[in-house]
Amino acid sequence: KNEVEQSPQNLTAQEGEFITINCSYSVGISALHWLQQHPGGGIVSLFMLSSGKKKHGRLIATINIQEKHSSLHITASHPRDSAVYICAGCSGGSNYKLTFGKGTLLTVNP
Amino acid sequence: DTEVTQTPKHLVMGMTNKKSLKCEQHMGHRAMYWYKQKAKKPPELMFVYSYEKLSINESVPSRFSPECPNSSLLNLHLHALQPEDSALYLCASRRNVGLPYEQYFGPGTRLTVT
Repeated sequence: KNEVEQSPQNLTAQEGEFITINCSYSVGISALHWLQQHPGGGIVSLFMLSSGKKKHGRLIATINIQEKHSSLHITASHPRDSAVYICAGCSGGSNYKLTFGKGTLLTVNP
Repeated sequence: DTEVTQTPKHLVMGMTNKKSLKCEQHMGHRAMYWYKQKAKKPPELMFVYSYEKLSINESVPSRFSPECPNSSLLNLHLHALQPEDSALYLCASRRNVGLPYEQYFGPGTRLTVT
């Protein structure tokens, strides 16, 4: 059974701080989605990665496939970054499916 | 165009009503998904259409009925829903070239069953 574990479940930071959210996943998962969901809103895909590192603006995602671990970093955090961040593991090849983590609620205070 | 659109944004319906949710994408994706998301929970997969072939999460009750009229459109027909079906319903599509296959999510339909 594919599993995805995220930590922490809740995270509060001051504006400007460096944020890290972690995700561990089980064998069978070949790639990781990082997703963002603002309160009451839909889901936005931030990154999809199967190796290495990706950067977009102040967001950086890394994945270590040997350790089956991925991190999402936010540099110079801002109150508008407050949202739920979800990592989702991709598996199944032609029967592709996502296994979602429980999400991390990030609150960035001004 | 990298957008998945969903209509309506909000829907309030009684338990005896019949309504439909609509999802559309014009990215040429051949796989489309319906998810249900309750508050403070991750999305749960309901249905997948991949190359017009339907896969069902067998725990989804029959009062939810998907339809894929063509590869760009995905509908979710709702009939005789219960209050516990109130949730955010998300549609997603997946590109079918260039691993890994990234999913693109729509903004969701917020459904309230009274």
